[in-house]
Amino acid sequence: GAGVSQSPSNKVTEKGKDVELRCDPISGHTALYWYRQSLGQGLEFLIYFQGNSAPDKSGLPSDRFSAERTGGSVSTLTIQRTQQEDSAVYLCASSSGTGTREQYFGPGTRLTVT
Amino acid sequence: GQQLNQSPQSMFIQEGEDVSMNCTSSSIFNTWLWYKQDPGEGPVLLIALYKAGELTSNGRLTAQFGITRKDSFLNISASIPSDVGIYFCAGRFGNEKLTFGTGTRLTIIP
Repeated sequence: GAGVSQSPSNKVTEKGKDVELRCDPISGHTALYWYRQSLGQGLEFLIYFQGNSAPDKSGLPSDRFSAERTGGSVSTLTIQRTQQEDSAVYLCASSSGTGTREQYFGPGTRLTVT
Repeated sequence: GQQLNQSPQSMFIQEGEDVSMNCTSSSIFNTWLWYKQDPGEGPVLLIALYKAGELTSNGRLTAQFGITRKDSFLNISASIPSDVGIYFCAGRFGNEKLTFGTGTRLTIIP
């Protein structure tokens, strides 16, 4: 079946502009996660959704970052007033929320803030 | 955020050689995972470990969940060109977010 999809695959924006990144999880997966990967680094947790609620937002680096999930499916990560340090690959993962709960990742959105 | 200590940071090997990498944490996990990431792609799950002391294989890959629950290793036997990429360990305590290692970049020398 279809895996996790993310759009856009690449985004270049000017400093100070807002951006929205989209994630479509695997069909039927109730849990959704956002991670950030800076150049040459491991993945850093941002936020986790179970259904439409976000029980863990502990990784969001500042109040410029927010995320929502509607209908228990698609999620949008919004970064307001982007800064150059926001440049990174933003990865989304989903899991079934039951059983072993393993996370399956999308290809990511590469964000470049100029 | 926290990242796990993963070593080595990079490896340069010849095709056919065996590879070993490990990951350590200052805190315990109840699940250890190993992922591989190719350029421009998201991480792909290779092996999952759920019990301390567990040794699990997936083809030429073998991984172990350390008895202290604070470490894990991954071995790759008889490396082939498609093994090239970045390998990440990840730990999970509870059911939710993953904490990732810093990655091991594997390069195969012709």
